[in-house]
Amino acid sequence: GAVVSQHPSRVICKSGTSVKIECRSLDFQATTMFWYRQFPKQSLMLMATSNEGSKATYEQGVEKDKFLINHASLTLSTLTVTSAHPEDSSFYICSAKQSSSGANVLTFGAGSRLTVL
Amino acid sequence: AQKVTQAQTEISVVEKEDVTLDCVYETRDTTYYLFWYKQPPSGELVFLIRRNSFDEQNEISGRYSWNFQKSTSSFNFTITASQVVDSAVYFCALISGYSTLTFGKGTMLLVSP
Repeated sequence: GAVVSQHPSRVICKSGTSVKIECRSLDFQATTMFWYRQFPKQSLMLMATSNEGSKATYEQGVEKDKFLINHASLTLSTLTVTSAHPEDSSFYICSAKQSSSGANVLTFGAGSRLTVL
Repeated sequence: AQKVTQAQTEISVVEKEDVTLDCVYETRDTTYYLFWYKQPPSGELVFLIRRNSFDEQNEISGRYSWNFQKSTSSFNFTITASQVVDSAVYFCALISGYSTLTFGKGTMLLVSP
């Protein structure tokens, strides 16, 4: 079946540094990928929709300069948390939509837990 | 606009009990998809089921069963003879039209031995 790899699974960084999270579709092409954020004991909130070869579409309230998204190929999207602060600590999950699928099939990565000290 | 409501924040049962997780959705679209995902403590989302709006047939997969009722806009999930390994947060989700996937707030299920 379709597999989405997310890396790193855990990252701890100092305040003020930038952190990059990768989301790869391993055995399918994904023209569209989605980035979610999940705070403890809360639901997943969509941050942005990443389209291959074009700018990401951000949800209301999400700072695009803070959360840089790049979708340079059909199998890779990256989320960079710039100048991270403790309030950015969260669980980030990506999902990928198979290009060949017209039936809203999304595959999720295993998530990346970011802790900013 | 679309919305998913999971009214049960947390459910605790003892092993072997049956448990039903409720999900009520709202959408103006006639074509939509409903999902259930399991999120164990490790964090990854495990896909359980997808159901489209034209298929109201209930589904059973092992100890899991789903009851889709368009008349009440509900898509409830039942675990029969629950096990400790079923302990997780369960999310119901909806996608319709050109919208993105909307998740409910999740129900934490705790199954104790």
